[in-house]
Amino acid sequence: DTGVSQDPRHKITKRGQNVTFRCDPISEHNRLYWYRQTLGQGPEFLTYFQNEAQLEKSRLLSDRFSAERPKGSFSTLEIQRTEQGDSAMYLCASTDISNIQYFGAGTRLSVL
Amino acid sequence: KQEVTQIPAALSVPEGENLVLNCSFTDSAIYNLQWFRQDPGKGLTSLLLIQSSQREQTSGRLNASLDKSSGRSTLYIAASQPGDSATYLCAVSPTTSGTYKYIFGTGTRLKVLA
Repeated sequence: DTGVSQDPRHKITKRGQNVTFRCDPISEHNRLYWYRQTLGQGPEFLTYFQNEAQLEKSRLLSDRFSAERPKGSFSTLEIQRTEQGDSAMYLCASTDISNIQYFGAGTRLSVL
Repeated sequence: KQEVTQIPAALSVPEGENLVLNCSFTDSAIYNLQWFRQDPGKGLTSLLLIQSSQREQTSGRLNASLDKSSGRSTLYIAASQPGDSATYLCAVSPTTSGTYKYIFGTGTRLKVLA
């Protein structure tokens, strides 16, 4: 068990570009969450997958954001036409029936 | 709408002190409450999870209590050490969601001085 992995750890992009982040959860966990965290704040919920089904999306997730979890394994979060306000740490967490959330190290996005 | 507040926002204590971090939430309809630790630039590590039916949980030098009716939780750290320096986050899982997502507070930044 290697824990939750996120890739890349850091991403610098220019405004208007598209970016994609990947999350590999703990292998036996069927629940996967994406959160966004800005400096000095707690994480804010973005979206939730149970297996391959996306069951909840926050109103924070505008039309420029899309997430997938094909085959209920890894997940990707794509942001199209990035804006400076998208700069944040994007965190992925997975859990099983215990509801203890295991977080990855996050992907820090900087939009210039 | 569920809101989570943590007091104090920052705390600095000498090594060896016992300390209490506070968390309050506005809606008592929760599945559970978790306390997390976050080191700078890193992800979160779950410290303790308290189910809504429980009053407290203990792990080593950490003890967390939950008073669901008053919307309060405390994290007690005994005999603090410099390695305890981190941001501590409280989060609740609202039953209105059904997805076991968490609503987080803004955290307490703890510094333990050697």
